[in-house]
Amino acid sequence: DVKVTQSSRYLVKRTGEKVFLECVQDMDHENMFWYRQDPGLGLRLIYFSYDVKMKEKGDIPEGYSVSREKKERFSLILESASTNQTSMYLCASSPYRGDSEQYFGPGTRLTVT
Amino acid sequence: AQSVTQLDSQVPVFEEAPVELRCNYSSSVSVYLFWYVQYPNQGLQLLLKYLSGSTLVKGINGFEAEFNKSQTSFHLRKPSVHISDTAEYFCAVINTGGFKTIFGAGTRLFVKA
Repeated sequence: DVKVTQSSRYLVKRTGEKVFLECVQDMDHENMFWYRQDPGLGLRLIYFSYDVKMKEKGDIPEGYSVSREKKERFSLILESASTNQTSMYLCASSPYRGDSEQYFGPGTRLTVT
Repeated sequence: AQSVTQLDSQVPVFEEAPVELRCNYSSSVSVYLFWYVQYPNQGLQLLLKYLSGSTLVKGINGFEAEFNKSQTSFHLRKPSVHISDTAEYFCAVINTGGFKTIFGAGTRLFVKA
């Protein structure tokens, strides 16, 4: 079974802190994604990566950056956390583009106070 | 640009009753369609997907969906729901050959005893 793990299930940070969310997948997938999930808005794509060291902006990249130094690991970075970044963050991976499903981690619920 | 509309934000239903969760999409190109389910405090997992061929697609846990190209719909159905089906359901669309999956806002299914 594909497994996608996220470093924390719950995280509380203060405004202005730099925050790292880590995601690791164990199935050698090419593509990895970061989403945020907010009630009534569904999932919105923040960034994705289709290869090591490659990244593309999604629909809401402002205030975020990413890093993919190794194929299995994709990190989301909040350079200076703000209260409007309080949300559920979901990482996903997929083996190839188009018709392949995405495999999701359990999510990190981030609260910024 | 693509979009996905889930027509009901919440659907309450009694146990053993049938249910339909509605999804409409818009796209100027060919797409693949997915339904994902999210149980409380978990990530998303795939229920079923339509890539091509038969317009009636069967998935896990007794769910099925019908692709209707003329109506641009992909409604999810189950003939008899269980308490354990209580979850949030997301309809999603992606261009054939694309990277970015567009998710609907989600439908919360509440199954009552």
